[in-house]
Amino acid sequence: GAVVSQHPSRVICKSGTSVKIECRSLDFQATTMFWYRQFPKKSLMLMATSNEGSKATYEQGVEKDKFLINHASLTLSTLTVTSAHPEDSSFYICSATGTSLSSSYNEQFFGPGTRLTVL
Amino acid sequence: DAKTTQPTSMDCAEGRAANLPCNHSTISGNEYVYWYRQIHSQGPQYIIHGLKNNETNEMASLIITEDRKSSTLILPHATLRDTAVYYCIVRVARGNEKLTFGTGTRLTIIP
Repeated sequence: GAVVSQHPSRVICKSGTSVKIECRSLDFQATTMFWYRQFPKKSLMLMATSNEGSKATYEQGVEKDKFLINHASLTLSTLTVTSAHPEDSSFYICSATGTSLSSSYNEQFFGPGTRLTVL
Repeated sequence: DAKTTQPTSMDCAEGRAANLPCNHSTISGNEYVYWYRQIHSQGPQYIIHGLKNNETNEMASLIITEDRKSSTLILPHATLRDTAVYYCIVRVARGNEKLTFGTGTRLTIIP
């Protein structure tokens, strides 16, 4: 399967600061990327869907001005949590789908996740 | 996406086959059954998917009933590394379609 990376794997920040999380597809072109959030002992909840070169589509209840998503290339999407607060502390996971030289994927491939802690 | 129902938790002895059931009685004709799993503090991992025929790959087998209202994921020889939360999801087979995760089944492999 295809490989997706995330950076950083962990981040601790002070309340009020902004944090950027990167999601990269390493061996395929990610035409669509997804961002999820997962609270402890809960399931993944989709935050937004982004297609390369287009504005992200946010799920109901997700503040687009707080969670800025940029998908400027076929291998990179970024999620910026602006003015972070302790309640934003969570596990953020990206996934991607697209095409490689040999395949067109119908499944999503997930990154390893980023654990954000806001003090 | 159609809703799925899975048991909250299951145990399985190491080396035995783990059979994880999933009910999806409202599945539409163009929706596939996908299985993912999530090991603690990691991103989900794709396992297998199918439409109506049984499927097998290096990780698992997927058995779908003839009426497509339920399915079973089979891990033939479970190891301790298979301890994870397993999610059964139904969706159309388009890559840009979102996945809606339910609560999944927490599978614990017992030594």
